Amino acid sequence: KAGVTQTPRYLIKTRGQQVTLSCSPISGHRSVSWYQQTPGQGLQFLFEYFSETQRNKGNFPGRFSGRQFSNSRSEMNVSTLELGDSALYLCASSLARRDRGNNSPLHFGNGTRLTVT
Amino acid sequence: QKEVEQDPGPLSVPEGAIVSLNCTYSNSAFQYFMWYRQYSRKGPELLMYTYSSGNKEDGRFTAQVDKSSKYISLFIRDSQPSDSATYLCAMEGGLGGGSNYKLTFGKGTLLTVNP
Repeated sequence: KAGVTQTPRYLIKTRGQQVTLSCSPISGHRSVSWYQQTPGQGLQFLFEYFSETQRNKGNFPGRFSGRQFSNSRSEMNVSTLELGDSALYLCASSLARRDRGNNSPLHFGNGTRLTVT
Repeated sequence: QKEVEQDPGPLSVPEGAIVSLNCTYSNSAFQYFMWYRQYSRKGPELLMYTYSSGNKEDGRFTAQVDKSSKYISLFIRDSQPSDSATYLCAMEGGLGGGSNYKLTFGKGTLLTVNP
């Protein structure tokens, strides 16, 4: 069974630009969560999508947004990029909707490394 | 005080040593406790999962949770060079889920097992 696939693996952008990252979950998984990982802050929750709707959100500004398609694939968008947005962006999928407290295990992809110059 | 504290290391041990990794937390609502392993340039991989207090063993790995002390541990027996990675603790909880129900991670401990 294929794991979580994230594209692209590496991305270099300039301040002020926008970027879109893509995630394909494990087949059959309907929930997709996004995390930002930096050396200073570690892994921080961005948002969770289930059935094409955002179900849960972390403490990030509105420049960070996402969406989920009917096939459960998800995209994350960051507008007006700042230097501090340089990070590894991780997508994780799970079988069930997580914000209801069922602790469905998360399976992570290998991430997209975003560098903002 | 951060919700989850984890010593970043680095921790360097000889092959065959017993490794102890720890996290403390402040949120008494946490009920589910996990350990993830992350190799360089890879995403985190779920290693161990425990609910509430107690021990869980899986091969060379043992996870312990002490909710009264808000302290969790991961022990690795007979450590191997292939265990060299960053180990992340993670936890979540709260009855009924909701907007506060999301996985909170420690910053990770970098472990090197030397042959």
